Formats: sequence, structure tokens, C-alpha cells
Amino acid sequence: IAGITQAPTSQILAAGRRMTLRCTQDMRHNAMYWYRQDLGLGLRLIHYSNTAGTTGKGEVPDGYSVSRANTDDFPLTLASAVPSQTSVYFCASSDHLLAGGPQEQFFGPGTRLTVL
Amino acid sequence: GQNIDQPTEMTATEGAIVQINCTYQTSGFNGLFWYQQHAGEAPTFLSYNVLDGLEEKGRFSSFLSRSKGYSYLLLKELQMKDSASYLCAVWDSNYQLIWGAGTKLIIKP
Repeated sequence: IAGITQAPTSQILAAGRRMTLRCTQDMRHNAMYWYRQDLGLGLRLIHYSNTAGTTGKGEVPDGYSVSRANTDDFPLTLASAVPSQTSVYFCASSDHLLAGGPQEQFFGPGTRLTVL
Repeated sequence: GQNIDQPTEMTATEGAIVQINCTYQTSGFNGLFWYQQHAGEAPTFLSYNVLDGLEEKGRFSSFLSRSKGYSYLLLKELQMKDSASYLCAVWDSNYQLIWGAGTKLIIKP
């Protein structure tokens, strides 16, 4: 089934714990993104990757890290979770800019994370 | 700074027409997107404008004026399933998407 999957669907985490959110896509998209979505705010970009092996920082990267070992997977790690990281996290992917066209982003179902 | 403004919430009647406005101030412009997001779900792509004018896609149309930093999404023949949040996003000069906070559209019978 084509698309993006995320795991877990939801998680409650104690502050200070390490957590990795998983994201996998099977559309062979080059670019992948991690966003957080908080009530009253727009989606905010945490990290992105334009192609396997490269990553970049978005608007709110502090406290998060990513890796892109292959085309399909783009995990997001919280090294030591804090309550302000309570949010809904969306992974997305798109064709590379050079592919032409609008390169709309396709989103995974999201992970609802609560840090206590 | 970069800023995208949309109304927080709008209410409309089933069968009617509604226009959702979006104004933006960004460092550069490479296109504007509209996404739909139902409560508890992921955003899904609706439309893309890069040139001035109207793009029509079934019951949905999107308009862009680059000189005014303005776009709107027009929804016709509203259905109850159109109750959702509508997100405006601009591709800036670095091809990063800058997102508005979204407009929650409530459809009443």
C-alpha cells in the first residue's frame, strides 16, 4: 500500500526519556520532512532531508535529531524529552524539486506525543 | 520575519459558497499551497498556485495575487464533509514551506 506510515500512533513519555518516532514511505520520494503541529500554530518544520544521506535544520530543530540512511526511512529522535515537546508530529515526503511540478507533500497519519 | 495570516474560524451553510482568505509576507515566493485537514487526521493537498489568477478544480478554486501577497480558497456547493481546517502554505526563497495556522471551517445544515 503506497504512502507514509508513522509509529507509534501515540505515546506518553516521562520527561528526560529518549524517544524515536519512526517514519517510512514507499513512494520513492527523495525529500522527507518532520513537522510538529500545536494548537493555534501552523505546522512548524523541525528537520528535513532532500535526499538520502543529507539532512537539514528547519524552524524548530533544538532538542531533535534525524538521520536518513536510505530513501524510505526518516526517524526523528528526542534525546531527552521535555514537556514543551508535547505535540502532534507529522512526517511528510515529496518529489525532489528538480522533478518539476508543485511537489506537494504527502503526510503520514501523525504521532501524538505527550511528555509529562 | 515571515508571516501568513488566515482567519481562525469561519461558519457557512450546507450548499452555500465560502471564501477563505490568506495573506502572506515571506522572504521570496515560489508558490502557494492549500491543504485540507480533517480533525485528528493528516493534511491533504488541495491546490497549488504559482502564477496570478484562478485555478479551478471541481468545487474548489484557488486564487493568487502575488503583488498583493494574497490568496483565497473558494469552496462551492458546500457539503458537511467539507467541515475541516484549511491550511495555507507558501514556498519561500529557500523552497521551505511556511504554514499558516489554518482556518477551521464549520458547516451547518
